[in-house]
Amino acid sequence: EPEVTQTPSHQVTQMGQEVILRCVPISNHLYFYWYRQILGQKVEFLVSFYNNEISEKSEIFDDQFSVERPDGSNFTLKIRSTKLEDSAMYFCASSQTSGGASAKNIQYFGAGTRLSVL
Amino acid sequence: AQKVTQAQTEISVVEKEDVTLDCVYETRDTTYYLFWYKQPPSGELVFLIRRNSFDEQNEISGRYSWNFQKSTSSFNFTITASQVVDSAVYFCALIDFNKFYFGSGTKLNVKP
Repeated sequence: EPEVTQTPSHQVTQMGQEVILRCVPISNHLYFYWYRQILGQKVEFLVSFYNNEISEKSEIFDDQFSVERPDGSNFTLKIRSTKLEDSAMYFCASSQTSGGASAKNIQYFGAGTRLSVL
Repeated sequence: AQKVTQAQTEISVVEKEDVTLDCVYETRDTTYYLFWYKQPPSGELVFLIRRNSFDEQNEISGRYSWNFQKSTSSFNFTITASQVVDSAVYFCALIDFNKFYFGSGTKLNVKP
């Protein structure tokens, strides 16, 4: 069964450094998402992306964050200058379509990247 | 108001006991999907079930069963004869347009 792949599974970085988290969405999916889960808390929406543009973002997604689809397969989340509070699990997801409840809007999640900022 | 509420923060049971995890949701849409995910200590989100708003039939899959009741906006999850391997955090979620809303999770501890 097709799946969303995230690399690396664990990223350790120093405060102030830039990190790039990578995701390979399911190949026929057109909508891409990033979510964040701080340890012990719930999963929170960060951003959705379609047609090479951000379609929606949460208040968490400030200027330190950016997303990109650099080629036909990867979808990346960049954090420019990491802070201690960026330590979390980051989940990528993708869906065929969006906007309303249908089977094609189901978002499939990757296994996550655990980011540790020291 | 929270879209998805999981009032039970943590539950502890002894192996072989049955346990029910509660989930109450809120949406103004008439069509929506509900989900349950398992998050083991390793951190990944493991998909367990999705249910669309038009299908209120209860579902059973092995030791797992789900009770969806639109009248009370609830989508409860029962594990029968729990096992130590069931220990994890369980999240209920709602998809409402293009956003996933997760509950705060219920940590289940199954002791031998």
